[in-house]
Amino acid sequence: GAVVSQHPSRVICKSGTSVKIECRSLDFQATTMFWYRQFPKKSLMLMATSNEGSKATYEQGVEKDKFLINHASLTLSTLTVTSAHPEDSSFYICSAGRGGDGYTFGSGTRLTVV
Amino acid sequence: GQQLNQSPQSMFIQEGEDVSMNCTSSSIFNTWLWYKQEPGEGPVLLIALYKAGELTSNGRLTAQFGITRKDSFLNISASIPSDVGIYFCAGQGNYGGATNKLIFGTGTLLAVQP
Repeated sequence: GAVVSQHPSRVICKSGTSVKIECRSLDFQATTMFWYRQFPKKSLMLMATSNEGSKATYEQGVEKDKFLINHASLTLSTLTVTSAHPEDSSFYICSAGRGGDGYTFGSGTRLTVV
Repeated sequence: GQQLNQSPQSMFIQEGEDVSMNCTSSSIFNTWLWYKQEPGEGPVLLIALYKAGELTSNGRLTAQFGITRKDSFLNISASIPSDVGIYFCAGQGNYGGATNKLIFGTGTLLAVQP
């Protein structure tokens, strides 16, 4: 159990366009999901907490207008990188959990902005 | 963003050797988690610790939740080549009003030579 699916696994987009990344909990409901960003050989940095039915909570320094999060159902959260630039290129990972069992991570999305 | 201090940063060992890594924090955590991440993938949960002083094993892996709730260690016994990867500790506590956010350590890169 506790499977989290993330799509796409890789995406290349042109500078100035927007990219949407999906995170789905396949076999459980998640009222809260988390979005992380990871640079090469670095740790995971929490970007925001996605709350079903309400606004996401962003970490300090993360632009909420740049990284739009929508948690429309108990099994789906989306992260949209708007007006992407090369410096937004990174590995984006989502996670979800059922509370006391730790958190399951998606397989990540490698975003490359050219 | 906040990160936990994790050491060592990297380890290069021979197959069969034991490995030890640890995490420290200036803050108290309610839960300590240890994850392994392979290239291009999301982290996979190895061990979860829920109580100060708790010692938990998962096969060749053993982890402990420090008494002060500010540290944790992970041991891997009799390492094998497939243990290669980056290991992250993560602490879960009360940050900014949210009780379920995970803060990650800086990671330990493990290389095992056959």
